[in-house]
Amino acid sequence: DTAVSQTPKYLVTQMGNDKSIKCEQNLGHDTMYWYKQDSKKFLKIMFSYNNKELIINETVPNRFSPKSPDKAHLNLHINSLELGDSAVYFCASSPQTGGATQYFGPGTRLTVL
Amino acid sequence: DAKTTQPNSMESNEEEPVHLPCNHSTISGTDYIHWYRQLPSQGPEYVIHGLTSNVNNRMASLAIAEDRKSSTLILHRATLRDAAVYYCILRVLNNAGNMLTFGGGTRLMVKP
Repeated sequence: DTAVSQTPKYLVTQMGNDKSIKCEQNLGHDTMYWYKQDSKKFLKIMFSYNNKELIINETVPNRFSPKSPDKAHLNLHINSLELGDSAVYFCASSPQTGGATQYFGPGTRLTVL
Repeated sequence: DAKTTQPNSMESNEEEPVHLPCNHSTISGTDYIHWYRQLPSQGPEYVIHGLTSNVNNRMASLAIAEDRKSSTLILHRATLRDAAVYYCILRVLNNAGNMLTFGGGTRLMVKP
């Protein structure tokens, strides 16, 4: 069974559209994260949620809104997509806020045309 | 935030040991040293972590300098499957939570 799963794997859309990426973890972890990996391959944290509560929001435009319906899910909704949003988005989870190991999903490649 | 410095790329021959260096001269006393790797088209994968003492696990060994300003990830016998980008990260534990700040990493190429 996949520990951290994301859907969709690929997402191609037009500028200005609204889209969502879903993430689910079956590890029973308390904390979940969203990272963005741009074309230069740098990975940057975007958000961290602990038990459905926002812990970290790293200067991400408010067009990005994470939603955590329960602690096993952390979805990322993006409004008014821009060309610069094109990247690979990774979801991750860890056992607790101070946990050592983060488990990453396979990534969602978002292409904005 | 404490930062790390790694070579952009390294090459190794299959079946030989690989030593991947990392400098972190501004490390603070509570920063853990983490290593993750990212295989092509996959998400990052945890490799190993440590604070002061050297660490071994089934994937690799981590050698930490006595002053903690540098560390080395050791793959004892490189395989083609070990070709990946290896990230050395200082985990900052603060009230904001569990922060991993990824740098550029080292791209390891393994030759058959």
